[in-house]
Amino acid sequence: DSGVTQTPKHLITATGQRVTLRCSPRSGDLSVYWYQQSLDQGLQFLIQYYNGEERAKGNILERFSAQQFPDLHSELNLSSLELGDSALYFCASSTRDRGYDEQFFGPGTRLTVL
Amino acid sequence: LAKTTQPISMDSYEGQEVNITCSHNNIATNDYITWYQQFPSQGPRFIIQGYKTKVTNEVASLFIPADRKSSTLSLPRVSLSDTAVYYCLPASNTGRRALTFGSGTRLQVQP
Repeated sequence: DSGVTQTPKHLITATGQRVTLRCSPRSGDLSVYWYQQSLDQGLQFLIQYYNGEERAKGNILERFSAQQFPDLHSELNLSSLELGDSALYFCASSTRDRGYDEQFFGPGTRLTVL
Repeated sequence: LAKTTQPISMDSYEGQEVNITCSHNNIATNDYITWYQQFPSQGPRFIIQGYKTKVTNEVASLFIPADRKSSTLSLPRVSLSDTAVYYCLPASNTGRRALTFGSGTRLQVQP
């Protein structure tokens, strides 16, 4: 158990809908990262927050947005969903904001768009 | 950004040593190399990290040559439980930069 929690574990929705994925980092960690992993694909970095501020951005679609709240939990919002958005979404956390810091990954949220 | 290249897959047998190489030709001066292991339907897990030469911990060794354009993860005496996907990640010791994991190497260990 990494100490990172993600909810929900599974999510099934329809095209055009909007969903929110939630992540709680390890106690004491200030950075939160979001990744997308499509079936049998690698990890695609979406975005990083550190202590409430956006720190780094990857190839995140405009339909996707994220934020980190004062209690350090984070939410990833996905809107106007398309079939291709079906994937595992991982959240990770680390102590600091350095790219090379060890990241602790959550169990993921499996999103299925029908 | 360091563009990374890894072999798609590798096969081995229990008890053998496995070496997985990652190429990162345009690695930046401030980048460290980190390797992660991922089992199916689980989040990746940190294995080892280094900057240059050799680093060893209780599960693996990491070799980084002087030019740092590649790195090799070495798993001694693999077992069936080492069957997983292994990712390399060149990342800076500063922040504010997108992270680019390698494409991953699927290691299959046979009995």
